[in-house]
Amino acid sequence: GAVVSQHPSRVICKSGTSVKIECRSLDFQATTMFWYRQFPKQSLMLMATSNEGSKATYEQGVEKDKFLINHASLTLSTLTVTSAHPEDSSFYICSARDQTSWDTEAFFGQGTRLTVV
Amino acid sequence: EDQVTQSPEALRLQEGESSSLNCSYTVSGLRGLFWYRQDPGKGPEFLFTLYSAGEEKEKERLKATLTKKESFLHITAPKPEDSATYLCAALSGNTGKLIFGQGTTLQVKP
Repeated sequence: GAVVSQHPSRVICKSGTSVKIECRSLDFQATTMFWYRQFPKQSLMLMATSNEGSKATYEQGVEKDKFLINHASLTLSTLTVTSAHPEDSSFYICSARDQTSWDTEAFFGQGTRLTVV
Repeated sequence: EDQVTQSPEALRLQEGESSSLNCSYTVSGLRGLFWYRQDPGKGPEFLFTLYSAGEEKEKERLKATLTKKESFLHITAPKPEDSATYLCAALSGNTGKLIFGQGTTLQVKP
């Protein structure tokens, strides 16, 4: 199946600093990528939909100034957590769908465990 | 409101003891029902996509089925390596978003 690579897998940062997470589709082009957040023993919560070449669409309750999303190319989207605080500690996962058929499966990255101290 | 509900929340089986996981959905303009497996600390791994009621798909000890209101993931003679959280997700044709259920955490004991 298609491969989505997410980096880094783990990051620890100090409160007040910013952290960037990368999501790459390795063998297909993704017009749309999705960013999720997952709390322990809970399901995935969609944060935003990232569209190549345009602004991301954020879900209700997600601060767009705190979670900056950039989708500069058909294979790369980035999520930057700005001025991170301990409550931002979570598991962040990206996914991408092949642009040729939007109702096929979305492939997921390995996830990034963010810990803010 | 679009909603996906999975049951049970947790399931413990003995090795070889077959069972089924349920996924009930209420989604406008369903375009597909997806099953994923998620291991601790990892992203979801794709298992199946079902598109229409009556459709079935199999992979090793897993078989997924779909009706107009729910989907089942049948596990036949499970092994300890099948232990994981199984997520189902419905793709809304209206929004283009995947709506996830809460997941079923399966533990298979040897």
